[in-house]
Amino acid sequence: EAGVVQSPRYKIIEKKQPVAFWCNPISGHNTLYWYRQNLGQGPELLIRYENEEAVDDSQLPKDRFSAERLKGVDSTLKIQPAELGDSAVYLCASSGRDRRSYEQYFGPGTRLTVT
Amino acid sequence: SQKIEQNSEALNIQEGKTATLTCNYTNYSPAYLQWYRQDPGRGPVFLLLIRENEKEKRKERLKVTFDTTLKQSLFHITASQPADSATYLCAHLLNYGGSQGNLIFGKGTKLSVKP
Repeated sequence: EAGVVQSPRYKIIEKKQPVAFWCNPISGHNTLYWYRQNLGQGPELLIRYENEEAVDDSQLPKDRFSAERLKGVDSTLKIQPAELGDSAVYLCASSGRDRRSYEQYFGPGTRLTVT
Repeated sequence: SQKIEQNSEALNIQEGKTATLTCNYTNYSPAYLQWYRQDPGRGPVFLLLIRENEKEKRKERLKVTFDTTLKQSLFHITASQPADSATYLCAHLLNYGGSQGNLIFGKGTKLSVKP
């Protein structure tokens, strides 16, 4: 079974430029998460989707960040315009209905560097 | 506000010894705690979940304890091996109804097992 797929793996952009990240969750997983992980820190939730609905976007900086999950499968996270402080690893995760562990499956992440 | 803390940024031990990592929480009582492993350049991988009514959970060489009086979870790796070297993340699981689950992560503890 394929895991969570993210692209690109690395991205270097200049500040004020736009950038987009793509995520394909594990097949059949209804819940999709975007996290941001700064160096030396744990991941922090940006947004959570249940199917195509964003059910928790309280931590998403809405002035410059946007996300969508059309048809409840793939998802895209966008930053426009990017700032130096946005440099981080952006992780996508998905989960199914396993109530034994509530396990989240993470992708490899996209490492963003803003110069 | 809810905080989850992993006080040790790094832990160095000798192969064959037991590694013990600590996770403390303040200002709340999590019903569920999860532990994840993260290797460089990869997303976190789920290891174990422990519920507040469970004192201990085991999986092969891994053991997690949950002490609600001390507000602490301990994560043990027995007979440690160099391959166990990684960053270990403690996470509190929020909104755990059904398949939902926001995670609040600690900063992680980087474990190095020397041969």
